[in-house]
Amino acid sequence: DAKTTQPPSMDCAEGRAANLPCNHSTISGNEYVYWYRQIHSQGPQYIIHGLKNNETNEMASLIITEDRKSSTLILPHATLRDTAVYYCIVRVAANAGGTSYGKLTFGQGTILTVHP
Amino acid sequence: AAGVIQSPRHLIKEKRETATLKCYPIPRHDTVYWYQQGPGQDPQFLISFYEKMQSDKGSIPDRFSAQQFSDYHSELNMSSLELGDSALYFCASSLRIDNSPLHFGNGTRLTVT
Repeated sequence: DAKTTQPPSMDCAEGRAANLPCNHSTISGNEYVYWYRQIHSQGPQYIIHGLKNNETNEMASLIITEDRKSSTLILPHATLRDTAVYYCIVRVAANAGGTSYGKLTFGQGTILTVHP
Repeated sequence: AAGVIQSPRHLIKEKRETATLKCYPIPRHDTVYWYQQGPGQDPQFLISFYEKMQSDKGSIPDRFSAQQFSDYHSELNMSSLELGDSALYFCASSLRIDNSPLHFGNGTRLTVT
């Protein structure tokens, strides 16, 4: 799976948008970008994923650059409860086959601190 | 909505003892994954099962074994426990098709004394 690079930490004011960047310059055409977060000692929580189009759900938006070498997770109105470690993960698509499909490989994420 | 259920939530064992962790996936999910997260570390993939067969293997010690049963629940068996096995153990489940995301349980905290 392609490697991702994220800033180790970011701050955001409550109520403002949090924009978390991720670089994945070696991503392959059959690899998706997934975002998860982990609030202290809880299980990682799925946020959103995408292949090449921008995606939006009730939690966040995912913006993927046209060359797919980077992406940004946007939390539109951050709250104190959004303070967590955010992981950007590249995952092989289901139709790529092989035994490596499925698992997520967690790297160093971004510690997002939302302050009042 | 139903989530991944793990039991027990907390487990305390002594060195050289054995431990069994259980995972009940989301209904209709066919794939189960196990992860280990040591203090201050990121989750590390251990092993996964698809339709009751091992599908992938990560950095799982030989002292550990796992299986998925006919009802799709999974158990992680850990023997000859060491102090370094103290960690959070997460189970996740997904559907193999359609790039279905993994959904994680809230983990079992294992403490080896």
